Amino acid sequence: DSGVTQTPKHLITATGQRVTLRCSPRSGDLSVYWYQQSLDQGLQFLIQYYNGEERAKGNILERFSAQQFPDLHSELNLSSLELGDSALYFCASSVAPAGTDTQYFGPGTRLTVL
Amino acid sequence: GENVEQHPSTLSVQEGDSAVIKCTYSDSASNYFPWYKQELGKRPQLIIDIRSNVGEKKDQRIAVTLNKTAKHFSLHITETQPEDSAVYFCAAAVSGAGSYQLTFGKGTKLSVIP
Repeated sequence: DSGVTQTPKHLITATGQRVTLRCSPRSGDLSVYWYQQSLDQGLQFLIQYYNGEERAKGNILERFSAQQFPDLHSELNLSSLELGDSALYFCASSVAPAGTDTQYFGPGTRLTVL
Repeated sequence: GENVEQHPSTLSVQEGDSAVIKCTYSDSASNYFPWYKQELGKRPQLIIDIRSNVGEKKDQRIAVTLNKTAKHFSLHITETQPEDSAVYFCAAAVSGAGSYQLTFGKGTKLSVIP
């Protein structure tokens, strides 16, 4: 157990819908990262937050957005869902946003878009 | 941006033999190189990492080597055991200025045959 929690574990929804994935970082970690893992694209970095502020953006679609709240939990919002959005979504956390810190991954949320 | 190539995509070895997975990266500014192990349906777990001021690092049966000139790094697993069977991902990151983005390779599925 990494100490990073994600809810829900599974999510099944229809095309065009909107969903929210939630992540709580390890105690003491200020930085949160979101990744998408699909079979054909591997692990893709989406976005990073540090202490409530966006710090880095990767291959995140405009239909996706995220935020980090004062209690440091983060939410990833996915809207106008398409079949291709079906994937495992992982959240990771680290103490700081620097490369000297290990990223610990949560158990993931499996999203299925029908 | 950074591009990480990982080879081979699949690897089968006999129990007790060694396994080697190789990665190359494109951004010469990358300075952090972690390796993650992911079992089926589970979260990626960090197994070892190396920073650019170090050429080699070892942890029991696992070792990682880094060649910054050639921009490649490798994972070596000795005396493989069935529980080493999993997908292994290499990654590279450039850290600094408050941001830290991991770029992953596509993964290597390692099968250890008893």
